Amino acid sequence: GAGVSQSPSNKVTEKGKDVELRCDPISGHTALYWYRQRLGQGLEFLIYFQGNSAPDKSGLPSDRFSAERTGESVSTLTIQRTQQEDSAVYLCASSLEASGANVLTFGAGSRLTVL
Amino acid sequence: GDSVTQMEGPVTLSEEAFLTINCTYTATGYPSLFWYVQYPGEGLQLLLKATKADDKGSNKGFEATYRKETTSFHLEKGSVQVSDSAVYFCALKRSQGAQKLVFGQGTRLTINP
Repeated sequence: GAGVSQSPSNKVTEKGKDVELRCDPISGHTALYWYRQRLGQGLEFLIYFQGNSAPDKSGLPSDRFSAERTGESVSTLTIQRTQQEDSAVYLCASSLEASGANVLTFGAGSRLTVL
Repeated sequence: GDSVTQMEGPVTLSEEAFLTINCTYTATGYPSLFWYVQYPGEGLQLLLKATKADDKGSNKGFEATYRKETTSFHLEKGSVQVSDSAVYFCALKRSQGAQKLVFGQGTRLTINP
């Protein structure tokens, strides 16, 4: 596609429920990133995928968070047993490659509200 | 670990004022440096970048120079417009090793007419 597509754009859930967020990167982009942006704060790195290499999961805040990506296509970020502190905008980005100064193109984000 | 520090916001200026948003970084090696901008209601987008020392990135009247000696990448614009109101993020990316983009906390800029 022309840009990075994320869905849903908004999700309201109850504490304790599981949620899945989806990211469709730009076609041909081998690197895919997930970030979290809490209200009024900066972007917090969660995880990135580069081709068939093992993902860098160093930013995942707890074992309730996981992400998958099949090949160089769609990725899903799953949050299990959601907590109120998980409320944030979850941003996905893709780039041609992870290395060097390749520019990340961001999606519009998925806003998650945990009641 | 790698980190980026930006000047505290919010910043409020009048139209046509001179803008500086300070950014300093800590990183191993020689990272690439970026400024991203988030306009109200829109997604994050690249404003400019610089990949080596003394490089100057520029776009839309904004400039930033990669200063290795002061580990800085300050954003400047000579005459701001109301349409420049946005949140600005400084970021770095290593050339080797961990390939994630590390962001500063963002600076909210409001330009009054």
